[in-house]
Amino acid sequence: DTEVTQTPKHLVMGMTNKKSLKCEQHMGHRAMYWYKQKAKKPPELMFVYSYEKLSINESVPSRFSPECPNSSLLNLHLHALQPEDSALYLCASSQETSGPYNEQFFGPGTRLTVL
Amino acid sequence: AQKITQTQPGMFVQEKEAVTLDCTYDTSDQSYGLFWYKQPSSGEMIFLIYQGSYDEQNATEGRYSLNFQKARKSANLVISASQLGDSAMYFCEPKGSYIPTFGRGTSLIVHP
Repeated sequence: DTEVTQTPKHLVMGMTNKKSLKCEQHMGHRAMYWYKQKAKKPPELMFVYSYEKLSINESVPSRFSPECPNSSLLNLHLHALQPEDSALYLCASSQETSGPYNEQFFGPGTRLTVL
Repeated sequence: AQKITQTQPGMFVQEKEAVTLDCTYDTSDQSYGLFWYKQPSSGEMIFLIYQGSYDEQNATEGRYSLNFQKARKSANLVISASQLGDSAMYFCEPKGSYIPTFGRGTSLIVHP
């Protein structure tokens, strides 16, 4: 199974809502990533988990809260978002974080709209 | 942070022709990898091809090949025999000790 799954595919939420994005992989990868991508821009790294521990947080606002319950799952909890947070949120995984040899496997993304 | 340059915001190619997408980078790492990804309008990033900085041969993967010039810090993607399904955004990612960072991307449109 070489697939990364993400749910939901689309999400519309108000600024006072709390929601969660989910990501799952069963490739035995030890690194998982969250990216944010605005239209016509490259993906921007938000968080990296390595062996279920948060290893990189790219100065992301606290209204985004990542969680890695186990080695296969990655969540992104959303609370009190702003309209400018509307974007495509991509999850990815790779065998390891270190070393230059690990390609990332991406999920299909969640298109988030904040009203 | 490393600097990645994809100079072509948009490219057009006729179906069945070859096209080259440019990528230059600036890294102080001795050992690094170069990755290219394709992103169709559906949004999913698809890994295409990888080149290691110490690989002497240019990488090839089906219709994709890399024109790797280490001294010039250049890793251009060549797509041969373009197909309509190749229309997408293409991102390069030089990966070493830095956090994952992508170039700004090139939008490729394949005309019938």
